[in-house]
This record gives sequence, structure tokens and C-alpha cells, in this order.
Amino acid sequence: AQSVTQLDSQVPVFEEAPVELRCNYSSSVSVYLFWYVQYPNQGLQLLLKYLSGSTLVKGINGFEAEFNKSQTSFHLRKPSVHISDTAEYFCAVSKDQGAQKLVFGQGTRLTINP
Amino acid sequence: EPEVTQTPSHQVTQMGQEVILRCVPISNHLYFYWYRQILGQKVEFLVSFYNNEISEKSEIFDDQFSVERPDGSNFTLKIRSTKLEDSAMYFCASKGGGRILYFGPGTRLTVT
Repeated sequence: AQSVTQLDSQVPVFEEAPVELRCNYSSSVSVYLFWYVQYPNQGLQLLLKYLSGSTLVKGINGFEAEFNKSQTSFHLRKPSVHISDTAEYFCAVSKDQGAQKLVFGQGTRLTINP
Repeated sequence: EPEVTQTPSHQVTQMGQEVILRCVPISNHLYFYWYRQILGQKVEFLVSFYNNEISEKSEIFDDQFSVERPDGSNFTLKIRSTKLEDSAMYFCASKGGGRILYFGPGTRLTVT
């Protein structure tokens, strides 16, 4: 079975600083990787995805992530954050079989301070 | 852009009562899912539904839960006899032929 570990439950950063949110996964089969964002009192919005091809993927709002198969990681990065990036970020994995359900990590709360 | 919708946005019910949470998936999607998120915790998979039957379910999805696609557009989650620990945000999601799940805005269920 797949599992996802987000190492940081909370990450506070100052506005315009860079940020990295860490995600590691485990799976015995090939997987697809996703980052979803949840703004306060809202649902889950897809930020970016890795399905195949280039290991560096770009998403919305200036975020990007790099798939590293040898380290089983899919860390999310942004070079300069804004107050509006304050949200909960979830890393998720699905396998290329069956219902392709998503398995989520615990989430990382990103707080941007002015 | 098409989106998944859910009703109601907030449901308050008493312990032991039945609740039905409703979802309208994106038209022409084939796979449907329910997830829940207890306050402050991660998003957990409950059940997936494809071709008019459950394709996979988690340990959480016991006999108190059921899903239905009654009319080809709605997708419902029923909890027969709610418990306090069922209080959570419930998300519906749907997927077409690709790899991406599209989530609805959620229904906050409060069991008192």
C-alpha cells in the first residue's frame, strides 16, 4: 500500500522568502504524485501533478515540485511567497491501478508573515 | 469550467439520526469518491464508485455508510446512524479518463 509523509506540520515564513514543503512517499508500484492546496474554509484545489516525463513540474501560483525517484520525494517549492499563499498543503499519491484513489499526507500549514 | 458541487454546505444532526450528503460530479466523469477530513487531521479515503458499484472502500466505510448514484447525475453518501466521531468535512470527488481527481467544496457535518 502507498503512504505519504509530510515532515513538517507547520511552516512559518516571511513574505517574499522562498519556501520548501517536504513530501516523501512509499509504494511498491509506479505512482502519480500530486499537491493540493486548501485555503481557509475551502475545498481542495489541485496545485500541480507529476504523471510522467520531466521530473520538474510547474503548477499554479508560481509553485513547482521535483519528483526524485531515488529519494522517493516530491518536495514543493516557491521562490517568493505572498500573504495569499497562506493555506494547508497536502501531498498525495495514487497508483496506476484500480480506482486510482488518492492517499494524502498529513498536510503542512504554511503561514506567511508580513 | 465544470466543477463538482456538494449540498448542503453545512449539516447539523443529532446522534443516531440518518444523514444524506449530496454531490453532483462533473458531467461525463466515470469515477466517484468520498473522502472525509476530521478537524485538524488529514484527508482520508472512504470509498470509490465506478460502473454503478463500489470499487474500493476503506476500513472507515463500515455498514453504517452507503453510497448511491440514484439518477445518473447525483452521487450520495448516507450515514445510517450518526455518531459523534462522524463529525467531519466530507469531500466528494470525481475523475474522468485521466489521473486527476476534482474535489467539491465539501459538506461540514456536525453531529451533536
